[in-house]
Amino acid sequence: AQSVAQPEDQVNVAEGNPLTVKCTYSVSGNPYLFWYVQYPNRGLQFLLKYITGDNLVKGSYGFEAEFNKSQTSFHLKKPSALVSDSALYFCAVRGTTGFQKLVFGTGTRLLVSP
Amino acid sequence: NAGVTQTPKFQVLKTGQSMTLQCAQDMNHNSMYWYRQDPGMGLRLIYYSASEGTTDKGEVPNGYNVSRLNKREFSLRLESAAPSQTSVYFCASGRTGEGTEAFFGQGTRLTVV
Repeated sequence: AQSVAQPEDQVNVAEGNPLTVKCTYSVSGNPYLFWYVQYPNRGLQFLLKYITGDNLVKGSYGFEAEFNKSQTSFHLKKPSALVSDSALYFCAVRGTTGFQKLVFGTGTRLLVSP
Repeated sequence: NAGVTQTPKFQVLKTGQSMTLQCAQDMNHNSMYWYRQDPGMGLRLIYYSASEGTTDKGEVPNGYNVSRLNKREFSLRLESAAPSQTSVYFCASGRTGEGTEAFFGQGTRLTVV
């Protein structure tokens, strides 16, 4: 069965500094990988995904993520954080063979200070 | 551009009461999901429907039932609510068998007292 680990409950970064939110996964075969963001009292919004091809994926709001198959990781990154990036971030994985359910990590709260 | 619509947005139930959470999507997606979100637990899958006419249990199905009424609608029923079911519930939909992302509703905040 697939699973996702987000080892940090919270990440703190100063505005203008680079940020990284970590994610590792476990799945049989090749993965589809996703990042979502949740603002207070809102649903989840899709940020970016890895399906195949280039290991560096670019998404919404200047975010990007790097897929590393050997380390089974899919870390979310942004070169320069904004205060408005403060939110809850979820990594998710789904297997690519047949129908496989979408499984989420426990989430990482990102706090960007002015 | 409705996407995924959940009703109600808020609900307070007494222990033992029943209720149905409604979800509808207008994107012609085959797959639909119900998740619950609890602090420190992330999103846990309750039930999912890979396609119209099929439903399957997720990680935490106990105390819940679902109905895939048609391709658009996927409802979640609590037959006898318990305080442990106090949570925020999210419905999502997506295409089956492709690397497309799931789309989420705005959530239902349920409190069981």
